Amino acid sequence: QQQVKQSPQSLIVQKGGISIINCAYENTAFDYFPWYQQFPGKGPALLIAIRPDVSEKKEGRFTISFNKSAKQFSLHIMDSQPGDSATYFCAASATNKLIFGTGTLLAVQP
Amino acid sequence: DVKVTQSSRYLVKRTGEKVFLECVQDMDHENMFWYRQDPGLGLRLIYFSYDVKMKEKGDIPEGYSVSREKKERFSLILESASTNQTSMYLCASRVTGAPYEQYFGPGTRLTVT
Repeated sequence: QQQVKQSPQSLIVQKGGISIINCAYENTAFDYFPWYQQFPGKGPALLIAIRPDVSEKKEGRFTISFNKSAKQFSLHIMDSQPGDSATYFCAASATNKLIFGTGTLLAVQP
Repeated sequence: DVKVTQSSRYLVKRTGEKVFLECVQDMDHENMFWYRQDPGLGLRLIYFSYDVKMKEKGDIPEGYSVSREKKERFSLILESASTNQTSMYLCASRVTGAPYEQYFGPGTRLTVT
């Protein structure tokens, strides 16, 4: 199975709160799990990525948690800011291409 | 900075027209991709190319073709545009050896009437 399932479709968080976006996959051959961030009018941009042999990766306020046995991974945005308001896509890398989730529209309210 | 440019930000075409979407990258990347982005469906891969004159079908190639005559340029062609091809089209490139790091252009919003 080449799908990556992402939830929720949209998310509203108060400034300073924690935003959590979840993804699940089936194909155990995926070798990287990146997250992309897209602002309105722009193309997606790589935010952070993790390999399946690592359970957590943190870059600033952004953390990926990876559960290999459950085939799930999630993005946590700590101390969410209005500037984090964007669409977030999880993805999985396999055989030279990326399989993207359906996206989560995050709105951080001031 | 890697730059991926797309020929148009907005395009309006009529049903049945042949449509060309152009993408140029300036970082000598071997791999280039065309996606379409639709609400609730995420990014879906149409075609990709890993070298000049090489192409491979993605997940939704029907109704599309591509051309890559030069390393920096990757064109998406809609042979006979239909209304169900109204969408945002995104081009991306990446260097071989960085499997998850794609650089995207700003997108072309295509409307077929």
